[in-house]
Amino acid sequence: TQLLEQSPQFLSIQEGENLTVYCNSSSVFSSLQWYRQEPGEGPVLLVTVVTGGEVKKLKRLTFQFGDARKDSSLHITAAQPGDTGLYLCAGAGSGGGADGLTFGKGTHLIIQP
Amino acid sequence: KAGVTQTPRYLIKTRGQQVTLSCSPISGHRSVSWYQQTPGQGLQFLFEYFSETQRNKGNFPGRFSGRQFSNSRSEMNVSTLELGDSALYLCASSLYGPRAQPQHFGDGTRLSIL
Repeated sequence: TQLLEQSPQFLSIQEGENLTVYCNSSSVFSSLQWYRQEPGEGPVLLVTVVTGGEVKKLKRLTFQFGDARKDSSLHITAAQPGDTGLYLCAGAGSGGGADGLTFGKGTHLIIQP
Repeated sequence: KAGVTQTPRYLIKTRGQQVTLSCSPISGHRSVSWYQQTPGQGLQFLFEYFSETQRNKGNFPGRFSGRQFSNSRSEMNVSTLELGDSALYLCASSLYGPRAQPQHFGDGTRLSIL
């Protein structure tokens, strides 16, 4: 069974601060996706990383996939209240064939004005 | 382009009853996956359908079942409901599957068991 551990579970910071969310596993994933979910809505895909060591930037968000494809991080620079939400990482297995995604339990992020 | 539509948005049932949830994927998407989201366990994979066939199944009891129709719309059924089945049920669609393809989620069905 592949597991994804996200840390921290909860994070509350002031507007303008920087933060990093981590997603770790002992398993190798063929790809890893990051989602953001707001109350009453479904998760929305932010980015997919596929190659070990890959770094992707989405405005103030920087995503990194570990060299061994077992972990990932999300760094937010100068956080804004609009960044508030539940951040989820999800890994796709490295085995052959179709399979579902394994989700971490998420990081609840609150950015206070 | 219309997104993923889930109906109903809210449901209240009692123990022992059964329930059917519906998911209409984005037009052209052939893969539909179902997930259960609870505060304690997070998002857990239920099953995935592709071209009317169940391709993969998560670790849930047989009370949870699903199907997909020729137009790619999918339904999920839960029989003999238990209190622990209270959750947000999400479906997600993609072109070919949930691995490297972007998945598009609906806003879910909130199921409450009394």
